[in-house]
Amino acid sequence: GQQLNQSPQSMFIQEGEDVSMNCTSSSIFNTWLWYKQEPGEGPVLLIALYKAGELTSNGRLTAQFGITRKDSFLNISASIPSDVGIYFCAGDNTDKLIFGTGTRLQVFP
Amino acid sequence: DGGITQSPKYLFRKEGQNVTLSCEQNLNHDAMYWYRQDPGQGLRLIYYSQIVNDFQKGDIAEGYSVSREKKESFPLTVTSAQKNPTAFYLCASSIVGGIGNIQYFGAGTRLSVL
Repeated sequence: GQQLNQSPQSMFIQEGEDVSMNCTSSSIFNTWLWYKQEPGEGPVLLIALYKAGELTSNGRLTAQFGITRKDSFLNISASIPSDVGIYFCAGDNTDKLIFGTGTRLQVFP
Repeated sequence: DGGITQSPKYLFRKEGQNVTLSCEQNLNHDAMYWYRQDPGQGLRLIYYSQIVNDFQKGDIAEGYSVSREKKESFPLTVTSAQKNPTAFYLCASSIVGGIGNIQYFGAGTRLSVL
């Protein structure tokens, strides 16, 4: 099955640093979603993007829906220890989501 | 509280045994999904259902079975035909026909083989 290309695969950063990750696809999507998963838990929705070019913020998180509709970016500003987890992008393929391979984020104090 | 409940949290399977994972939602969502997650990997779709008494295979349906007799419930059976069942299983649900297919997830069931 199709999976989206997500990079980087993992990040080790110091508290206070900004983080950027992205997701690319060979297919066009009408909706892009970003989820965060903490160890042993299910993914939790962070941001939903519905229009090409859309830029949406949720606190320290900012995500963008690429103009080509084939990519999306997530930025986290001023990281804190509770940002630790795996971040997944997902594209809406009408009746199901296609997920990225995930970016594992570690934040050191 | 509205949400998705998966049980049990941990499950152990013996060789040749079928086991069933429970997923219940009280969000009044029409669609439900089952995913498998292996260490360091993304989510792979096993089965999904958009309406009661109907379901479709996902990318990795072999060795699994489901039923959808009630809107709130979508149990997953891991059969003995699934030779590598050890994984983290996630259930999700969503509205059908809404803007974007936003899925909400349960807390997962971790299945291990004895």
